[in-house]
Formats: sequence, structure tokens, C-alpha cells
Amino acid sequence: NAGVTQTPKFQVLKTGQSMTLQCAQDMNHEYMSWYRQDPGMGLRLIHYSVGAGITDQGEVPNGYNVSRSTTEDFPLRLLSAAPSQTSVYFCASGSQRYNEQFFGPGTRLTVL
Amino acid sequence: AQTVTQSQPEMSVQEAETVTLSCTYDTSENNYYLFWYKQPPSRQMILVIRQEAYKQQNATENRFSVNFQKAAKSFSLKISDSQLGDTAMYFCAFMKPPFQGAQKLVFGQGTRLTINP
Repeated sequence: NAGVTQTPKFQVLKTGQSMTLQCAQDMNHEYMSWYRQDPGMGLRLIHYSVGAGITDQGEVPNGYNVSRSTTEDFPLRLLSAAPSQTSVYFCASGSQRYNEQFFGPGTRLTVL
Repeated sequence: AQTVTQSQPEMSVQEAETVTLSCTYDTSENNYYLFWYKQPPSRQMILVIRQEAYKQQNATENRFSVNFQKAAKSFSLKISDSQLGDTAMYFCAFMKPPFQGAQKLVFGQGTRLTINP
């Protein structure tokens, strides 16, 4: 199993550009989520999904969109990037049986 | 809303020593889950240990153990016989029992632990 994979690993954007961060998992987990990590603030929940076709907002959803068309994939879209979105982004998937989450390797995003 | 506080931004110990990382949390829930995650320089988030609030026995995983004090809302991590590979950022995290499948983690600010040779 590859676990949780994320692409790209690094990305530099200019203000106003759009992009999609990809996340995929091969563990057949129903729960998937996106977090951002900023210095001194730990990880904060952006959006999450409890299954295909079902998404909801987390603590810091503004400026981000998500969709979940399959169990495996959960992309995160930035429609118009802003410098405040410079961060490290983590995707995670969760096992309902064990109530624990597995994280991808992260994407470091810089918005100039 | 739940909050998690790690009051030690940085710690440093010598190899083979024992070190304890502190974590406190605020919640009105009676049942919940607590986790410690390790983030080495590779950036990967690695689950170290977990504790379910309804279990009175403290969780242990090899050299890692927790001191869970439910009344005090405290969840500290003890690392025994510390090794160079333990150098990492450590995050404490809280999770309410999943509601309709949602497993929302609330993280503390992290403690940067350095193990010196």
C-alpha cells in the first residue's frame, strides 16, 4: 500500500493564480481531510469529507474548495492564491474502525 | 470549542536521558481520544501513541508512554532512553468521538525536541 500520497511536494504561485493540490489514498478510508501547518500554530483543519460526495468545512475554510467524487481522491483547490495561503498542507485519511488518521508527506506552498 | 496547549516550545536533552513533554486540553466532553504525533525534519506526520479517555490505563509503546490525568485534562508524553532519531517536532492532538464519521483533530502548537549526542 502506498498509503496517503500528495502531489506536488513543492509549489510556488503568484498572487491570484489558481491551483489544485492532489491527495489520494489506497486504504479504502471513508474519512479524508486537509490541514494547513503554520509556524507556532500547529495544524488546522481546512475541509474534510466523510465519504464520496460529502464534504464540509473545518476551522479555516476560506479561500479553499474541495470535492470528493471517489473514495480514493480528495483534491484541494485554491481559486485565487493569496500570500496568506503560504503554508505546508497535509492531507490525511482516517480509519473508522480504529479512529486514527494517516497523513500524507505534505506540500509546501509559497505564494508570492 | 476544544483547545490544546503545549507550553514548551522547545526542549533539549542528552541522548539516553528521559524527557517529558507536556500537553493540556480543554473540553466538556467525557469521552474522547488523545494522540501524540512526531514530525521529524522529513516533515512526515507519524503517530506515536494514542489514548482513549474511557481507558484509565496509560498507553505505552516501547520507549514512549503517556501520563493521562483526565480530571486535570493533562496528557504528557514520556520518552525513555532518548535516541538521536527522536529529534523532531511533537504535536499533541485531541479528537471528539466521530460524529457522522467526521474525525476532526485539534492540534497543539508543538514542542521542538532536540536530542544531543
